[in-house]
Amino acid sequence: DQQVKQNSPSLSVQEGRISILNCDYTNSMFDYFLWYKKYPAEGPTFLISISSIKDKNEDGRFTVFLNKSAKHLSLHIVPSQPGDSAVYFCAASPGTGKSTFGDGTTLTVKP
Amino acid sequence: GAVVSQHPSWVICKSGTSVKIECRSLDFQATTMFWYRQFPKQSLMLMATSNEGSKATYEQGVEKDKFLINHASLTLSTLTVTSAHPEDSSFYICSAQGLAGLRAKNIQYFGAGTRLSVL
Repeated sequence: DQQVKQNSPSLSVQEGRISILNCDYTNSMFDYFLWYKKYPAEGPTFLISISSIKDKNEDGRFTVFLNKSAKHLSLHIVPSQPGDSAVYFCAASPGTGKSTFGDGTTLTVKP
Repeated sequence: GAVVSQHPSWVICKSGTSVKIECRSLDFQATTMFWYRQFPKQSLMLMATSNEGSKATYEQGVEKDKFLINHASLTLSTLTVTSAHPEDSSFYICSAQGLAGLRAKNIQYFGAGTRLSVL
């Protein structure tokens, strides 16, 4: 049973528009959520995170929203840039440090 | 800050040989390190979790005797693929975690990965 799901394997948006990446989870013990970005042949890099006590966290062009009742989080990138093209992984942790990762969403931002 | 170095980045070896991959946290003490395997167009598969000075905890289905993990210090963990075979060819990635604060505790800092090709 996959506890963290990213149902969209890929997303394509136009440069300057908003990119919205979604993530659903099933384990109610998760209390910390993270987004990572990964380029081909590289390791993922941490992007932004949110604790379960919050519903929104913003860092520049990146905003993460958390809806605990729906067990859903999303990453908004505004405005999207071609350099944002990468695979984005959603991850969730029960506070132990060990995270469960989703399968990733490949974002393509077209110039 | 929070740089993780992983070496080698690419290794080709003959079937039956062993390969060692190193993962170092360069500017912080990593109490926990993780080892992942990634197949093409698939997600990160956690292989094992290692804490400094103790035995690694392997995920279900991962062979302990084949994938030897050593976490001898707070800045170094190694993964040795013993008697490698072509089916072991994959992209192996390590990550490290520090301790200070909830945020730091949950964030993983990843190495650049190692592409293993077994002929």
